[in-house]
Amino acid sequence: DTGVSQDPRHKITKRGQNVTFRCDPISEHNRLYWYRQTLGQGPEFLTYFQNEAQLEKSRLLSDRFSAERPKGSFSTLEIQRTEQGDSAMYLCASSHKDRYNEQFFGPGTRLTVL
Amino acid sequence: DAKTTQPPSMDCAEGRAANLPCNHSTISGNEYVYWYRQIHSQGPQYIIHGLKNNETNEMASLIITEDRKSSTLILPHATLRDTAVYYCIVRVGDSGNTPLVFGKGTRLSVIA
Repeated sequence: DTGVSQDPRHKITKRGQNVTFRCDPISEHNRLYWYRQTLGQGPEFLTYFQNEAQLEKSRLLSDRFSAERPKGSFSTLEIQRTEQGDSAMYLCASSHKDRYNEQFFGPGTRLTVL
Repeated sequence: DAKTTQPPSMDCAEGRAANLPCNHSTISGNEYVYWYRQIHSQGPQYIIHGLKNNETNEMASLIITEDRKSSTLILPHATLRDTAVYYCIVRVGDSGNTPLVFGKGTRLSVIA
């Protein structure tokens, strides 16, 4: 079963460092979403792509955050100059054009900023 | 902000029906009700969605009141594997063009 995969699963970094996460969506899913989840809260939307186009960005996505999906397949989320407040689970999801209302989530990347 | 209100936690005996309520008193005519769940250490999982008619699939049933101000997700025969946080989400349309806005959800504990 080839679901959404994310790499790495865990990342520990020091404040001020840059980190990059990767998401591989389900094959033929043309929409890809990024969310962030902190302890005890539900996921918060960050941004989403349709193919390679970034269609929407949340106000949560500060200028230290950048997401790309250059070929319309996998996506990367980069956080520059990490802060302790960036510590969270970063979730990726994808959906197919015939069923956009159903998003399939990956297992997430847990980021800890020391 | 989430447009829904859910109880923070519920218990259910294994094999019994789990009925999870959700209030969405400010729902608009073009907004759908979605349910997702998140099992510990996993990403959320889509369960079901509906506009005004009751819906059923292999996982659950969704009952929406006639005035659409509240709904209930029903897991007909809860198992231990149904222990999770359940999120009720109100969202414009069913085309996926608007983001999912999650609240804190209801933590369902299924007890043997």
